[in-house]
Amino acid sequence: GAGVSQTPSNKVTEKGKYVELRCDPISGHTALYWYRQSLGQGPEFLIYFQGTGAADDSGLPNDRFFAVRPEGSVSTLKIQRTERGDSAVYLCASSSYSGTRGEQFFGPGTRLTVL
Amino acid sequence: DQQVKQNSPSLSVQEGRISILNCDYTNSMFDYFLWYKKYPAEGPTFLISISSIKDKNEDGRFTVFLNKSAKHLSLHIVPSQPGDSAVYFCAATGSGNTGKLIFGQGTTLQVKP
Repeated sequence: GAGVSQTPSNKVTEKGKYVELRCDPISGHTALYWYRQSLGQGPEFLIYFQGTGAADDSGLPNDRFFAVRPEGSVSTLKIQRTERGDSAVYLCASSSYSGTRGEQFFGPGTRLTVL
Repeated sequence: DQQVKQNSPSLSVQEGRISILNCDYTNSMFDYFLWYKKYPAEGPTFLISISSIKDKNEDGRFTVFLNKSAKHLSLHIVPSQPGDSAVYFCAATGSGNTGKLIFGQGTTLQVKP
């Protein structure tokens, strides 16, 4: 079956603009995670959804970042008033477990560049 | 503070030899550890995991060792193959963490033919 997909693969935007990043998890996976990876670093947790609800959003850096998963499948990460420091690869992962001990399957990521 | 640390940014080994990648953690609440492999322009791919109730887990050429008293784990790859060349991330999670993974900075492994 299909893996986790993310669109767009690359996004270039100007400082101050609004962006949306989309994640399509593996069908049937109830758990969905967003991570951010800066250059030379490991992925950094942003937010976790179990079904439609955000069960843990402790990793969101500030209120410019927001994510939704209205039907418990596709998720959108939204960034308002983008800043140059938001430039990174945004990774989405899904899992069939909740509060998981299981494997998280990652998408290829969206590379965001804020000019 | 960096709760999961991979202190070696890179490692180079000869094909057929053993590769040993190391990882240290500081949070005693972590009870499940994973290794992921990442190729350029791809997302991380799960490799192997270990629960804190074990000290070793083996899967083919890959073995993970856990030393809880030292808060240290290592990934052994034997024998190393050129296709193993990638960035390896150590990650940890705990029962109160909702499954979110805390990653190290990664180690770039190069296996030379």
